[in-house]
Amino acid sequence: AQRVTQPEKLLSVFKGAPVELKCNYSYSGSPELFWYVQYSRQRLQLLLRHISRESIKGFTADLNKGETSFHLKKPFAQEEDSAMYYCALSGDTGFQKLVFGTGTRLLVSP
Amino acid sequence: EAGVAQSPRYKIIEKRQSVAFWCNPISGHATLYWYQQILGQGPKLLIQFQNNGVVDDSQLPKDRFSAERLKGVDSTLKIQPAKLEDSAVYLCASSPTPFSGGSTDTQYFGPGTRLTVL
Repeated sequence: AQRVTQPEKLLSVFKGAPVELKCNYSYSGSPELFWYVQYSRQRLQLLLRHISRESIKGFTADLNKGETSFHLKKPFAQEEDSAMYYCALSGDTGFQKLVFGTGTRLLVSP
Repeated sequence: EAGVAQSPRYKIIEKRQSVAFWCNPISGHATLYWYQQILGQGPKLLIQFQNNGVVDDSQLPKDRFSAERLKGVDSTLKIQPAKLEDSAVYLCASSPTPFSGGSTDTQYFGPGTRLTVL
């Protein structure tokens, strides 16, 4: 079974502070991991995917297969980073089905 | 390019009534998804179409939910009859290419339809 766990419902930080949004997964095969983001009054959209290994808006995420984690990190948070962040997994069988975590709301205060 | 369109944006009905949602995916996208997002939870896939065929409906409550994608373009999701626990945001998403064993496509989401069942 595929499962994604985001242990924090809310993460509140000050502008300029480092941010780490946690994501752990359960899957026996070779997953693809994603971070999707929803800004206020906007649609859910892809932020980054582990196979790209790129930094988007200063965010990075590394797939750690040993710890089955895919934490999202940013060294200096900005107020515009405030949003709902969802970690998602796609397995290596089936038809690109995404399984989402419950999401973490990031609130960056000035 | 125009994004995924959904209508209506909001719907309030009483339990046991019927409701239908419409989705128009991004032009040319082969795959269409319907998700249910209950308050406080992440989106849960209900049904996935590849062109006009169903490839995954394992989490669709088939006794009350139905969906179709005519001509491989627009799609409708129907609930009949609705229950209180169906109150949620229903998201439609599309992705460009049919599954071919490669990496997973980016999914492009619509604005959602917020359903309240009283």
